[in-house]
Amino acid sequence: AQTVTQSQPEMSVQEAETVTLSCTYDTSESDYYLFWYKQPPSRQMILVIRQEAYKQQNATENRFSVNFQKAAKSFSLKISDSQLGDAAMYFCAYCKGAQKLVFGQGTRLTINP
Amino acid sequence: NAGVTQTPKFHILKIGQSMTLQCTQDMNHNYMYWYRQDPGMGLKLIYYSVGAGITDKGEVPNGYNVSRSTTEDFPLRLELAAPSQTSVYFCASSYFQGEVTSPLHFGNGTRLTVT
Repeated sequence: AQTVTQSQPEMSVQEAETVTLSCTYDTSESDYYLFWYKQPPSRQMILVIRQEAYKQQNATENRFSVNFQKAAKSFSLKISDSQLGDAAMYFCAYCKGAQKLVFGQGTRLTINP
Repeated sequence: NAGVTQTPKFHILKIGQSMTLQCTQDMNHNYMYWYRQDPGMGLKLIYYSVGAGITDKGEVPNGYNVSRSTTEDFPLRLELAAPSQTSVYFCASSYFQGEVTSPLHFGNGTRLTVT
């Protein structure tokens, strides 16, 4: 079975600085999707960024970018110019077919003003 | 465009009671899902459906049942509620057809307490 591991239960960063959240996963598949979701205190699940495994180019969405290392099965999220509104739980997720997401345990990100 | 709508937002259930969590989506998505999120944890898949009339078990299906009579609705039934079912429940939907796939759209969740 596929597993997703987030080894950082909590991270903090100064406002306007850059932070990287780590994620590793285990799969024997070659085609799959990886995601980062943000969950603020409102508990809404918000898609931050998506990466298709067959694409070598790292996905970017404004201040959010990923470092996708397929051979190492690593998928880290970089947040540049951190803002107070970025404070939330961040979940890494994997899926292969039928969009059945497997989630990591989450990383709580705190932004210090 | 409402997206994925879940009701109720909160509910307290006594041990042994039953209830149905409602979920409806207006995006004509073929795939729908139920996840649960325990405190401090990620989401775990309970059940999912790839279309009307078709459902399948996820990672943690025990104690739950689902049905998918229409494309829009995917209710989750809890029978004989137990304290271990205290959790936040998320419904989600997506479109998946061959090479075309959309990200999951989540509802806002239902916080359920069983006492």
